[in-house]
Amino acid sequence: EAQVTQNPRYLITVTGKKLTVTCSQNMNHEYMSWYRQDPGLGLRQIYYSMNVEVTDKGDVPEGYKVSRKEKRNFPLILESPSPNQTSLYFCASMGRPDEQYFGPGTRLTVT
Amino acid sequence: SQQGEEDPQALSIQEGENATMNCSYKTSINNLQWYRQNSGRGLVHLILIRSNEREKHSGRLRVTLDTSKKSSSLLITASRAADTASYFCATDSYGTYKYIFGTGTRLKVLA
Repeated sequence: EAQVTQNPRYLITVTGKKLTVTCSQNMNHEYMSWYRQDPGLGLRQIYYSMNVEVTDKGDVPEGYKVSRKEKRNFPLILESPSPNQTSLYFCASMGRPDEQYFGPGTRLTVT
Repeated sequence: SQQGEEDPQALSIQEGENATMNCSYKTSINNLQWYRQNSGRGLVHLILIRSNEREKHSGRLRVTLDTSKKSSSLLITASRAADTASYFCATDSYGTYKYIFGTGTRLKVLA
């Protein structure tokens, strides 16, 4: 089954404790992306990647890092999480024609 | 930020009626896409319309695009209770793969 998986689905952590949210897709897509969703603000793109070792900033990259060492994986790293990064995070991959497949989401709370 | 906007923010209709929601955006685009999201879950791709197209149909969905006004509309005909969800438009910025999502329209279809 074609899918995008994210782990963990729920995470509560404390300010400053580094964390990684994993994302994996099984569709051999070149393009992958991370979004955050906040009430009233819709989805905002954090980072995207056109292919292995190619990443670019989206609309709200501050406080986040990504890496793309393999085609199927695109982890999101929060080196020093802060409460304003409490959000619902979605990973997506995209094939042709330009249709994004979204993961189930990761609900992150930073206290 | 170059956030897109949907209008209305919320819409409540009876089953069998048509639902129309609008999206405005700010930059030149390659294409515009509509997505559906059920209650905090991952987004599901509905339909894509390219910048050189004016209208597209898919089942009960009809999308129009007016690039001169930088706006699009999504029409869902003969709505069903199962159409209850939030609907988002998404645009790429011309020449990039940076995506901008609108703030969404919450549709409630009453049985």
